[in-house]
Amino acid sequence: DGGITQSPKYLFRKEGQNVTLSCEQNLNHDAMYWYRQDPGQGLRLIYYSQIVNDFQKGDIAEGYSVSREKKESFPLTVTSAQKNPTAFYLCASRIRERGSGNTIYFGEGSWLTVV
Amino acid sequence: AQTVTQSQPEMSVQEAETVTLSCTYDTSESDYYLFWYKQPPSRQMILVIRQEAYKQQNATENRFSVNFQKAAKSFSLKISDSQLGDAAMYFCAYLDNFNKFYFGSGTKLNVKP
Repeated sequence: DGGITQSPKYLFRKEGQNVTLSCEQNLNHDAMYWYRQDPGQGLRLIYYSQIVNDFQKGDIAEGYSVSREKKESFPLTVTSAQKNPTAFYLCASRIRERGSGNTIYFGEGSWLTVV
Repeated sequence: AQTVTQSQPEMSVQEAETVTLSCTYDTSESDYYLFWYKQPPSRQMILVIRQEAYKQQNATENRFSVNFQKAAKSFSLKISDSQLGDAAMYFCAYLDNFNKFYFGSGTKLNVKP
């Protein structure tokens, strides 16, 4: 089945540790996104990538890092510099060209809790 | 940066009735796309409906329709014949010319049986 796979679904991290959230898509989409959602809040953009080996900061990039070495993969690392990382993280993707539906598709999300 | 505002944090509707969720946005672009997404308790984001700004005709998808007022920068969602399964968070979203998506803060919709 085509779609976006995020793993792990639940992750616990000790303070001071870096963790990496995986996002893989087999939709042949060019653009990929990472969003953070806090309880009762909307989605805030962390990073996005429109093509391989290129990515841009979103509104809340501090304390996060990404890579885009393959079209299918866009992992997000939550570093120890992120002071309040406990949140729900959503990965998304879409076809890059405008006019091609322009719909953004989401994975099922990952819950990160700092303990 | 574009901003998307949903001024109704929570709304309730009786089953089978109609409800309208509000969304306004701020932009200087003339060509853009607008969306409504539904997020049930499972947290999965589901596309409800989308609208291209250059189209004057309002989009419809079965029981869901929008009222797009470009000059007023307003994009409301109307849900007709509300069903229990419609209960969820609803997010309004804007796609800009740099392929960035912006989301509103969401409206929680309760459906009463």
